[in-house]
Amino acid sequence: DTEVTQTPKHLVMGMTNKKSLKCEQHMGHRAMYWYKQKAKKPPELMFVYSYEKLSINESVPSRFSPECPNSSLLNLHLHALQPEDSALYLCASSHPGGRASEGYTFGSGTRLTVV
Amino acid sequence: AQSVSQHNHHVILSEAASLELGCNYSYGGTVNLFWYVQYPGQHLQLLLKYFSGDPLVKGIKGFEAEFIKSKFSFNLRKPSVQWSDTAEYFCAVVSSNTGKLIFGQGTTLQVKP
Repeated sequence: DTEVTQTPKHLVMGMTNKKSLKCEQHMGHRAMYWYKQKAKKPPELMFVYSYEKLSINESVPSRFSPECPNSSLLNLHLHALQPEDSALYLCASSHPGGRASEGYTFGSGTRLTVV
Repeated sequence: AQSVSQHNHHVILSEAASLELGCNYSYGGTVNLFWYVQYPGQHLQLLLKYFSGDPLVKGIKGFEAEFIKSKFSFNLRKPSVQWSDTAEYFCAVVSSNTGKLIFGQGTTLQVKP
């Protein structure tokens, strides 16, 4: 069982909908990440939170809005998405800073389909 | 900036064949290297990792990797593959400056029974 839990596992949404993806970790990590993964492609980093503060935004469109309410939770709010945003969205956590090199733990992902 | 390249995009093997998947990284100071596996429809799982010390690293499911600093390589090996090893394999490096995990393009391994 993964120690990073993502909900929902699957989500279908229209282009005018607003939805949220949720991620929870109980690893004691203080860095959390959102990745986007298209089929047969590597995960692409979207956002990095370190100590609950946004530290990296990889030029992600504003229709994706991350939120880190506390050290265990990470949300990704979605609004006005496009069909090309359909992908597997992965959450991960790690120790922050230099200790990130000890490794990331990934959740199972949310498979998002935008119709 | 550190980067990772995987040269084998799609590998097809028969069961019991030996496996070696290539991974090269660009120099950027201290390197911390990883191999992840993603079985069809499943999440990323860590196979093994290298930080320092013995350059031959053993991981789960019989996989191992060898860090060769002079070649900037971290190739993944398994002496005898099984049908259940069919998956996507990703080499990755953590940037020593930013802590970002950077993935290679991935290798699709198909093992025929």
